Amino acid sequence: DQQVKQNSPSLSVQEGRISILNCDYTNSMFDYFLWYKKYPAEGPTFLISISSIKDKNEDGRFTVFLNKSAKHLSLHIVPSQPGDSAVYFCAASSTNSGNTPLVFGKGTRLSVIA
Amino acid sequence: DAGVIQSPRHEVTEMGQEVTLRCKPISGHNSLFWYRQTMMRGLELLIYFNNNVPIDDSGMPEDRFSAKMPNASFSTLKIQPSEPRDSAVYFCASSFWRGAYEQYFGPGTRLTVT
Repeated sequence: DQQVKQNSPSLSVQEGRISILNCDYTNSMFDYFLWYKKYPAEGPTFLISISSIKDKNEDGRFTVFLNKSAKHLSLHIVPSQPGDSAVYFCAASSTNSGNTPLVFGKGTRLSVIA
Repeated sequence: DAGVIQSPRHEVTEMGQEVTLRCKPISGHNSLFWYRQTMMRGLELLIYFNNNVPIDDSGMPEDRFSAKMPNASFSTLKIQPSEPRDSAVYFCASSFWRGAYEQYFGPGTRLTVT
Protein backbone atom coordinates (compact mmCIF):
# COMPACT_ATOMS: atom_id res chain seq x y z
CA ASP A 1 0.00 0.00 0.00
CA GLN A 2 1.94 2.97 -1.31
CA GLN A 3 1.00 6.17 0.45
CA VAL A 4 3.25 8.31 -1.75
CA LYS A 5 3.33 7.58 -5.46
CA GLN A 6 5.56 8.85 -8.21
CA ASN A 7 4.03 7.29 -11.28
CA SER A 8 6.71 8.32 -13.75
CA PRO A 9 9.90 6.31 -13.23
CA SER A 10 11.79 8.52 -15.65
CA LEU A 11 11.62 11.82 -17.48
CA SER A 12 13.78 13.37 -20.21
CA VAL A 13 13.88 17.10 -20.80
CA GLN A 14 15.96 19.35 -23.00
CA GLU A 15 18.30 21.82 -21.36
CA GLY A 16 16.62 25.17 -20.82
CA ARG A 17 13.10 23.76 -20.81
CA ILE A 18 10.84 23.15 -17.82
CA SER A 19 10.95 19.87 -15.91
CA ILE A 20 7.78 18.87 -14.09
CA LEU A 21 7.91 16.00 -11.64
CA ASN A 22 4.68 14.75 -10.13
CA CYS A 23 3.74 13.09 -6.87
CA ASP A 24 0.44 11.83 -5.47
CA TYR A 25 -0.38 10.83 -1.92
CA THR A 26 -3.25 8.97 -0.33
CA ASN A 27 -2.98 9.75 3.38
CA SER A 28 -5.03 12.86 4.21
CA MET A 29 -3.07 13.25 7.46
CA PHE A 30 0.06 14.27 5.54
CA ASP A 31 0.65 17.98 5.98
CA TYR A 32 4.31 18.48 5.13
CA PHE A 33 5.95 17.53 1.87
CA LEU A 34 9.54 17.46 0.72
CA TRP A 35 11.54 16.82 -2.41
CA TYR A 36 14.92 15.15 -2.29
CA LYS A 37 17.49 14.86 -5.05
CA LYS A 38 19.85 11.91 -5.36
CA TYR A 39 22.98 11.54 -7.45
CA PRO A 40 24.52 8.09 -8.05
CA ALA A 41 26.63 6.78 -5.17
CA GLU A 42 25.41 9.56 -2.87
CA GLY A 43 22.66 9.84 -0.30
CA PRO A 44 19.51 11.84 -1.03
CA THR A 45 19.82 15.56 -0.30
CA PHE A 46 17.01 17.86 0.69
CA LEU A 47 15.85 20.18 -2.09
CA ILE A 48 12.66 22.01 -1.16
CA SER A 49 9.61 21.57 1.04
CA ILE A 50 6.07 22.85 1.46
CA SER A 51 3.61 22.93 4.32
CA SER A 52 -0.07 22.20 3.70
CA ILE A 53 -0.95 25.76 4.69
CA LYS A 54 0.64 26.90 1.42
CA ASP A 55 0.01 25.98 -2.16
CA LYS A 56 3.33 27.12 -3.58
CA ASN A 57 6.91 27.46 -2.45
CA GLU A 58 9.70 28.80 -4.60
CA ASP A 59 13.46 28.61 -4.25
CA GLY A 60 15.43 29.86 -7.22
CA ARG A 61 14.82 27.59 -10.19
CA PHE A 62 12.75 25.18 -8.08
CA THR A 63 9.07 25.58 -7.28
CA VAL A 64 6.81 23.11 -5.53
CA PHE A 65 3.05 23.28 -5.99
CA LEU A 66 0.57 21.59 -3.67
CA ASN A 67 -3.04 20.76 -4.53
CA LYS A 68 -4.55 19.42 -1.33
CA SER A 69 -7.94 18.60 -2.77
CA ALA A 70 -6.32 16.42 -5.40
CA LYS A 71 -3.65 15.12 -3.00
CA HIS A 72 -1.08 16.04 -5.59
CA LEU A 73 2.16 17.95 -5.61
CA SER A 74 4.60 18.78 -8.33
CA LEU A 75 8.14 20.06 -8.60
CA HIS A 76 8.96 22.49 -11.38
CA ILE A 77 12.53 23.15 -12.44
CA VAL A 78 13.00 26.15 -14.72
CA PRO A 79 15.24 26.32 -16.62
CA SER A 80 16.48 22.74 -16.49
CA GLN A 81 20.24 22.23 -16.50
CA PRO A 82 22.34 19.11 -17.17
CA GLY A 83 23.42 19.15 -13.50
CA ASP A 84 19.80 18.59 -12.53
CA SER A 85 20.01 15.06 -13.91
CA ALA A 86 19.35 12.89 -10.86
CA VAL A 87 16.68 10.83 -9.15
CA TYR A 88 14.06 12.95 -7.39
CA PHE A 89 12.13 11.58 -4.42
CA CYS A 90 8.91 12.99 -3.09
CA ALA A 91 8.33 12.54 0.66
CA ALA A 92 5.50 13.29 3.06
CA SER A 93 4.99 13.55 6.79
CA SER A 94 2.22 14.17 9.29
CA THR A 95 3.03 16.77 11.92
CA ASN A 96 -0.34 17.04 13.66
CA SER A 97 0.42 14.69 16.51
CA GLY A 98 4.14 15.05 16.66
CA ASN A 99 6.25 14.37 13.64
CA THR A 100 5.98 11.08 11.85
CA PRO A 101 8.80 9.64 9.78
CA LEU A 102 8.97 10.65 6.17
CA VAL A 103 7.25 8.37 3.67
CA PHE A 104 9.04 8.34 0.34
CA GLY A 105 7.90 7.71 -3.19
CA LYS A 106 9.94 5.40 -5.44
CA GLY A 107 11.56 8.28 -7.26
CA THR A 108 11.66 9.73 -10.77
CA ARG A 109 14.88 9.72 -12.76
CA LEU A 110 15.30 13.05 -14.53
CA SER A 111 17.64 13.30 -17.49
CA VAL A 112 18.37 16.79 -18.80
CA ILE A 113 19.76 16.60 -22.30
CA ALA A 114 22.16 19.27 -23.46
CA ASP B 1 29.96 19.51 10.14
CA ALA B 2 31.01 16.28 8.46
CA GLY B 3 27.44 15.21 7.85
CA VAL B 4 26.12 11.70 8.45
CA ILE B 5 28.93 9.17 8.24
CA GLN B 6 28.37 5.58 7.20
CA SER B 7 30.79 2.68 7.03
CA PRO B 8 31.67 0.67 5.15
CA ARG B 9 30.72 2.26 1.82
CA HIS B 10 30.74 -1.14 0.13
CA GLU B 11 30.37 -4.60 1.58
CA VAL B 12 30.55 -7.89 -0.27
CA THR B 13 29.88 -10.99 1.73
CA GLU B 14 28.80 -14.57 1.33
CA MET B 15 25.38 -15.86 2.19
CA GLY B 16 25.15 -16.85 5.83
CA GLN B 17 27.72 -14.37 7.07
CA GLU B 18 27.01 -11.64 9.60
CA VAL B 19 27.03 -8.08 8.30
CA THR B 20 27.28 -4.96 10.45
CA LEU B 21 26.63 -1.50 9.03
CA ARG B 22 27.61 1.57 11.00
CA CYS B 23 26.33 5.11 11.22
CA LYS B 24 27.40 8.30 12.95
CA PRO B 25 24.63 10.92 12.89
CA ILE B 26 25.10 14.67 12.74
CA SER B 27 26.04 16.01 16.15
CA GLY B 28 23.02 17.43 17.97
CA HIS B 29 20.42 15.52 15.98
CA ASN B 30 18.16 13.42 18.18
CA SER B 31 16.54 11.17 15.60
CA LEU B 32 18.16 8.48 13.49
CA PHE B 33 16.66 6.48 10.65
CA TRP B 34 17.77 3.38 8.75
CA TYR B 35 16.50 2.96 5.17
CA ARG B 36 16.97 0.35 2.50
CA GLN B 37 16.83 1.24 -1.19
CA THR B 38 16.00 -1.29 -3.88
CA MET B 39 14.77 -0.92 -7.43
CA MET B 40 11.53 -2.69 -6.65
CA ARG B 41 10.56 -1.01 -3.39
CA GLY B 42 12.37 2.33 -3.50
CA LEU B 43 13.36 3.82 -0.13
CA GLU B 44 11.96 1.75 2.71
CA LEU B 45 12.16 2.85 6.34
CA LEU B 46 13.49 -0.04 8.40
CA ILE B 47 13.66 1.45 11.89
CA TYR B 48 14.02 4.79 13.61
CA PHE B 49 15.26 6.01 16.97
CA ASN B 50 14.42 9.08 19.03
CA ASN B 51 16.93 10.01 21.72
CA ASN B 52 18.60 6.61 21.23
CA VAL B 53 15.35 4.72 21.86
CA PRO B 54 13.88 2.56 19.07
CA ILE B 55 10.43 3.91 18.26
CA ASP B 56 9.23 1.85 15.33
CA ASP B 57 10.90 -1.23 13.89
CA SER B 58 7.91 -2.44 11.89
CA GLY B 59 9.88 -1.96 8.70
CA MET B 60 12.55 -4.46 9.69
CA PRO B 61 11.97 -7.32 7.24
CA GLU B 62 12.83 -10.27 9.45
CA ASP B 63 14.35 -11.31 12.74
CA ARG B 64 17.63 -11.58 10.91
CA PHE B 65 17.77 -7.79 11.05
CA SER B 66 18.57 -5.91 14.25
CA ALA B 67 19.58 -2.33 15.05
CA LYS B 68 21.06 -0.65 18.06
CA MET B 69 21.86 2.87 19.12
CA PRO B 70 24.02 2.67 22.25
CA ASN B 71 24.61 6.42 22.35
CA ALA B 72 23.70 9.62 20.53
CA SER B 73 26.63 9.40 18.14
CA PHE B 74 26.55 5.82 16.94
CA SER B 75 24.18 3.24 15.53
CA THR B 76 24.53 -0.19 13.95
CA LEU B 77 22.35 -2.27 11.66
CA LYS B 78 23.15 -5.96 11.76
CA ILE B 79 22.04 -8.76 9.46
CA GLN B 80 22.65 -12.28 10.67
CA PRO B 81 22.64 -14.49 8.70
CA SER B 82 22.75 -12.52 5.46
CA GLU B 83 20.95 -13.69 2.29
CA PRO B 84 21.29 -12.66 -1.37
CA ARG B 85 17.93 -10.87 -1.23
CA ASP B 86 19.39 -8.49 1.36
CA SER B 87 21.56 -6.98 -1.37
CA ALA B 88 20.66 -3.29 -1.52
CA VAL B 89 21.91 0.16 -0.57
CA TYR B 90 21.37 0.93 3.09
CA PHE B 91 21.09 4.57 4.15
CA CYS B 92 21.28 6.15 7.55
CA ALA B 93 19.70 9.57 8.11
CA SER B 94 19.44 11.91 11.08
CA SER B 95 17.34 14.93 11.99
CA PHE B 96 15.91 16.99 14.80
CA TRP B 97 12.67 15.29 15.78
CA ARG B 98 10.78 18.51 16.34
CA GLY B 99 11.12 21.77 14.48
CA ALA B 100 13.11 20.77 11.44
CA TYR B 101 11.56 18.03 9.37
CA GLU B 102 14.34 17.57 6.88
CA GLN B 103 16.39 14.44 7.24
CA TYR B 104 20.04 14.42 6.34
CA PHE B 105 21.26 11.28 4.67
CA GLY B 106 24.60 9.56 4.73
CA PRO B 107 26.26 8.34 1.51
CA GLY B 108 24.93 4.81 1.99
CA THR B 109 26.43 1.33 2.21
CA ARG B 110 26.11 -0.84 -0.88
CA LEU B 111 25.69 -4.42 0.33
CA THR B 112 26.15 -7.38 -1.97
CA VAL B 113 25.46 -10.84 -0.63
CA THR B 114 26.62 -13.66 -2.91
